[in-house]
Amino acid sequence: AQSVTQLDSQVPVFEEAPVELRCNYSSSVSVYLFWYVQYPNQGLQLLLKYLSGSTLVKGINGFEAEFNKSQTSFHLRKPSVHISDTAEYFCAVSDNSNYQLIWGAGTKLIIKP
Amino acid sequence: DSGVTQTPKHLITATGQRVTLRCSPRSGDLSVYWYQQSLDQGLQFLIQYYNGEERAKGNILERFSAQQFPDLHSELNLSSLELGDSALYFCASSVGDSILGETQYFGPGTRLLVL
Repeated sequence: AQSVTQLDSQVPVFEEAPVELRCNYSSSVSVYLFWYVQYPNQGLQLLLKYLSGSTLVKGINGFEAEFNKSQTSFHLRKPSVHISDTAEYFCAVSDNSNYQLIWGAGTKLIIKP
Repeated sequence: DSGVTQTPKHLITATGQRVTLRCSPRSGDLSVYWYQQSLDQGLQFLIQYYNGEERAKGNILERFSAQQFPDLHSELNLSSLELGDSALYFCASSVGDSILGETQYFGPGTRLLVL
């Protein structure tokens, strides 16, 4: 069965520092991977997604993620974070065996001034 | 603004009561998904409707039900409410019927507090 593991529940980082939010999944077939962001008191919105092709995916607000099939990972990165990036970030996966999105538990990104 | 609207924004009710949450999808979207987000369970998929028909069920309790109307808006009915039902309920919509790789667009949520 599919599962998604977000390894950190919280990631504190200083403003303008780089950040990596980790996501690992389990699936034996081709996967489709997503990162969504939830700003305080808002719904979720899509940051980026990997369907096929280039393993480096660029999203909105300067975020990017790299699909690594051998390590079954899809880590999210940003070279320099801003206070406005304070939010919770969710990784999700779907594949040919289960069309519904399977969600990770979320990672809260805390930006320290 | 995702184009998905949910009402009400907040709801406070008592245990044992019944409430109805409403969702209007983005224009042109045929699928509606309902999710529950709570501190202890995280984001849980409840149910999906596509063009008026139920398509997939997740961790939805028997006390909960949903429907999608001909105008494509959807309602989630929660009955015999318990304290543990307090959560944020999200609706999302997409164009197709769980098309692989398709983006879901989320509404702002309804915050339910059961006292």
